[in-house]
Amino acid sequence: DIQMTQSPASLSASLGETVTIECRASEDIYNGLAWYQQKPGKSPQLLIYNANSLHTGVPSRFSGSGSGTQYSLKINSLQSEDVASYFCQQYYDYPWTFGGGTKLELK
Amino acid sequence: EVQLVESGGGLVQPGRSLKLSCAASGFTFSDYNMAWVRQAPKKGLEWVATISYDGSSTYYRDSVKGRFTISRDNAKSTLYLQMDSLRSEDTATYYCARQDGYTFDYWGQGVMVTVSS
Repeated sequence: DIQMTQSPASLSASLGETVTIECRASEDIYNGLAWYQQKPGKSPQLLIYNANSLHTGVPSRFSGSGSGTQYSLKINSLQSEDVASYFCQQYYDYPWTFGGGTKLELK
Repeated sequence: EVQLVESGGGLVQPGRSLKLSCAASGFTFSDYNMAWVRQAPKKGLEWVATISYDGSSTYYRDSVKGRFTISRDNAKSTLYLQMDSLRSEDTATYYCARQDGYTFDYWGQGVMVTVSS
């Protein structure tokens, strides 16, 4: 199975700050990567697919980048509604696997 | 508006069975592959199974293969997960999710399954 390692596991940031979350795959996943946001007590929501494509309705302050085994999610100008856990997911190969998550809190 | 509503969860003893359902609305159910994804308490997400739009193909993670069966009824716009020989490690919130290609673009609210004696 392809292992997905996210960092950091938790993150504290201030309103208006820029935040970056990293995701490393155990092998090349050829941009088969998605990012999800899960707010407390809610189900996950798709943010990014194909490593850098924004899902419909997602604010433009979210962006994804990367290639090969290294990917990142960037949130510009952090808002209070961005407090959530973020998960990466590879879909290059079965079984599709998720990263362990990054919990983002406000400082 | 896309809606996915799961039901059928609960407390079950190890070795017993449970069947989850997911009622879909707001889109043409028969056009989409569908999946089940689970999340153990305070843990990350884990893909469980996927079924093709017409039900002809199914895919499972190894740990549930032979114990879980994903199925669908396109006439009723409903997805199912039959879970047999349940184990304590199957305890989780189970989400029904629509697939757009290989990503999960809409999720249900989730249903809790607790396997305990």
